[in-house]
Amino acid sequence: GAVVSQHPSRVICKSGTSVKIECRSLDFQATTMFWYRQFPKQSLMLMATSNEGSKATYEQGVEKDKFLINHASLTLSTLTVTSAHPEDSSFYICSASEPGGARNTEAFFGQGTRLTVV
Amino acid sequence: GNSVTQMEGPVTLSEEAFLTINCTYTATGYPSLFWYVQYPGEGLQLLLKATKADDKGSNKGFEATYRKETTSFHLEKGSVQVSDSAVYFCALSSGGYNKLIFGAGTRLAVHP
Repeated sequence: GAVVSQHPSRVICKSGTSVKIECRSLDFQATTMFWYRQFPKQSLMLMATSNEGSKATYEQGVEKDKFLINHASLTLSTLTVTSAHPEDSSFYICSASEPGGARNTEAFFGQGTRLTVV
Repeated sequence: GNSVTQMEGPVTLSEEAFLTINCTYTATGYPSLFWYVQYPGEGLQLLLKATKADDKGSNKGFEATYRKETTSFHLEKGSVQVSDSAVYFCALSSGGYNKLIFGAGTRLAVHP
């Protein structure tokens, strides 16, 4: 299957600082990537759809200014958690697929980033 | 809107027992259906999928059949192993681009 790499896998930051999480498709081009958030022992909730070359589409209730998404190339999307607070501590995971390509029927997930804000 | 309802866990089984995890969905149109597995501390891995009614997805001894008449996609395995202990997520994708709606997840614990 295709490879999606997410970095870092774990990060601890101080309250009030910003954290950037990268999601890369290593062997295919992803015009669309998705960012999910998972609270402990809960399901994954879609936060936003990241579109290459245009603004991200956020799900209802997700603060656009809090969770900045940039999809500057066909292989990279970044999620920046700005002015992080302890309630932002969570597991963030991205997925990507290749619309129109051989991998268009499956979403490939990164390994996730565990963010802890202290 | 689209949604996925999954049986609550945890499910605790002895090795070699039969497994069923129920999943039903609500969706407009004709969604694709998936089962993902998440091992402790890791991301999600696709376990199996079905893209149209009556399709059966299978992988590693797991199976699930897309039942449009009952809007279900139940996961089954005839004989579970300790290594199957994980959280299993049922999901659907509708409208292209693999934007997924997940069920709540079911934790499976298999004991020797």
